Amino acid sequence: NAGVTQTPKFRVLKTGQSMTLLCAQDMNHEYMYWYRQDPGMGLRLIHYSVGEGTTAKGEVPDGYNVSRLKKQNFLLGLESAAPSQTSVYFCASSYSPRLNTEAFFGQGTRLTVV
Amino acid sequence: QQQVKQSPQSLIVQKGGISIINCAYENTAFDYFPWYQQFPGKGPALLIAIRPDVSEKKEGRFTISFNKSAKQFSLHIMDSQPGDSATYFCAASMSGSARQLTFGSGTQLTVLP
Repeated sequence: NAGVTQTPKFRVLKTGQSMTLLCAQDMNHEYMYWYRQDPGMGLRLIHYSVGEGTTAKGEVPDGYNVSRLKKQNFLLGLESAAPSQTSVYFCASSYSPRLNTEAFFGQGTRLTVV
Repeated sequence: QQQVKQSPQSLIVQKGGISIINCAYENTAFDYFPWYQQFPGKGPALLIAIRPDVSEKKEGRFTISFNKSAKQFSLHIMDSQPGDSATYFCAASMSGSARQLTFGSGTQLTVLP
């Protein structure tokens, strides 16, 4: 039981390049989330999904897209990376927020855009 | 708009001392208040959580105190240990919002041996 796994762990991009961050969970969770963590700002929600085939915008969605084609996977895409997207990205999942609101987090992806 | 304000930004405590971290929220619709602990290079992990129908919850050395009228809650770490050195985040969520977590800005705790 691996929990929440993020790929890759580190990445350096040039401005304008694109990339996809992969999040996989093996806990059969319905809800999945992407957060970004910046110094002094805590974690901010980018996008989230309440089930397979659904996505919704969070607090800071601009410049990102997401997809959830399979229940266990949640992909975060950057179409044209900008230095302002340099951050640590965390994926999280939860089973049923109505009953158990614990969110399980992955270990993060440290992205640097130069 | 920062809906959850956390203080202090950093905290240094001697081993055996009490660590106290405070949070204040604005949205009265929040009904779940967790604290997450994060070690360097790791993702946040749930430490303890409370709902507004109780004023205090204790788990081992960790206690949450909740003041609904003041819209404040705090984490107390008793007998702080060097292994408690980490970043602590308070958070809040509400029903009907996919339980999105709104996080405070974090407190970096250092417990000196």
